[in-house]
Amino acid sequence: GAGVSQTPSNKVTEKGKYVELRCDPISGHTALYWYRQSLGQGPEFLIYFQGTGAADDSGLPNDRFFAVRPEGSVSTLKIQRTERGDSAVYLCASSYQRTIYNEQFFGPGTRLTVL
Amino acid sequence: ELKVEQNPLFLSMQEGKNYTIYCNYSTTSDRLYWYRQDPGKSLESLFVLLSNGAVKQEGRLMASLDTKARLSTLHITAAVHDLSATYFCAVDSPGGATNKLIFGTGTLLAVQP
Repeated sequence: GAGVSQTPSNKVTEKGKYVELRCDPISGHTALYWYRQSLGQGPEFLIYFQGTGAADDSGLPNDRFFAVRPEGSVSTLKIQRTERGDSAVYLCASSYQRTIYNEQFFGPGTRLTVL
Repeated sequence: ELKVEQNPLFLSMQEGKNYTIYCNYSTTSDRLYWYRQDPGKSLESLFVLLSNGAVKQEGRLMASLDTKARLSTLHITAAVHDLSATYFCAVDSPGGATNKLIFGTGTLLAVQP
């Protein structure tokens, strides 16, 4: 079956602009996660959705970052007034939590570059 | 705060040799994961380990978990060039409500012919 998909694959923007990153999880997966990966680092958690609600947004770095999942499937990560420090690969993952493994499957990521 | 440390950070090895990557974590966790990442690609799930003494093997890779020592190992047997990648371990955050993953910094493995 289809895996997690993310669009766009690359996004170049100017400092101060607004961007939206989209994630389409695996069908039937109730849990959705956003992570951010900087060069040479492991992914860092941003936000977790269980269904439509953000169950944990403790990883969002500041109020310029916001994410939604209005119908419990596709999610959009929104970044306002982008800064150069926001440049990273943004990864989305989904999981079917009703197993003991709760294995998270990752999408290909969106590489965001803020000039 | 849960911390996850891997060592070594970089490993250059010859084909046919064996080696082990270590993953230490600072507080109790329910699950430990190993992922592989190729350059410019996303993360591929390799293993999920749940209990003390768990051992899983897939091809030339074998992962084990010691929950008392808070240590997992990823053992590579008779390495081949195709195993060159970055390997991450990750653990569930404590409490279990979120299941967010805390990742190590990764081990860059380069297998030389």
